[in-house]
Amino acid sequence: SAVISQKPSRDICQRGTSLTIQCQVDSQVTMMFWYRQQPGQSLTLIATANQGSEATYESGFVIDKFPISRPNLTFSTLTVSNMSPEDSSIYLCSVDGGFYGYTFGSGTRLTVV
Amino acid sequence: QKEVEQNSGPLSVPEGAIASLNCTYSDRGSQSFFWYRQYSGKSPELIMFIYSNGDKEDGRFTAQLNKASQYVSLLIRDSQPSDSATYLCAVSSGGYNKLIFGAGTRLAVHP
Repeated sequence: SAVISQKPSRDICQRGTSLTIQCQVDSQVTMMFWYRQQPGQSLTLIATANQGSEATYESGFVIDKFPISRPNLTFSTLTVSNMSPEDSSIYLCSVDGGFYGYTFGSGTRLTVV
Repeated sequence: QKEVEQNSGPLSVPEGAIASLNCTYSDRGSQSFFWYRQYSGKSPELIMFIYSNGDKEDGRFTAQLNKASQYVSLLIRDSQPSDSATYLCAVSSGGYNKLIFGAGTRLAVHP
């Protein structure tokens, strides 16, 4: 199954700043997915990133707040912009591993102060 | 809004018992169904996936799918304290086969 390297693993950021999260996959994948997991909650899909086109955002998430890049088939970034304490969450990337199911990166634990 | 519903628990079972976790979904077009386990502070790990109606067994785990009832379940036999975690039901949806997750059921296996 695909192996995903995600970084940073955690960060503490000042409100009003931005953080870029990176995911590197060890194989080429068509789609990459970005999720948010707020404290004590389940996973909520932010957007789907397809190489060569703009990401598709879910209801409640907008590109200005969560810009995504997908420059090639093994890499993607998610930026959390103009952060507020409400953005404190775990952010996870995921790929469809085919027969092996969807796999997840190790997550980025973001705290906004 | 396509939804996946789970009982949040906690579900408490004694060691050695069968734990039964349930999930319902609203999108009749869903084709793939997944169970993930998530330990506190860790990312989800895949336990099983199922595509066809009926049962699928893998070791101590059995997934059951009933598309007519829009229902999927996970049975854990001979439950161990190490099975204590949150179990997430996920359903593929939409043209990109994105996964939609339920709220998760917290399972506690006590010795």
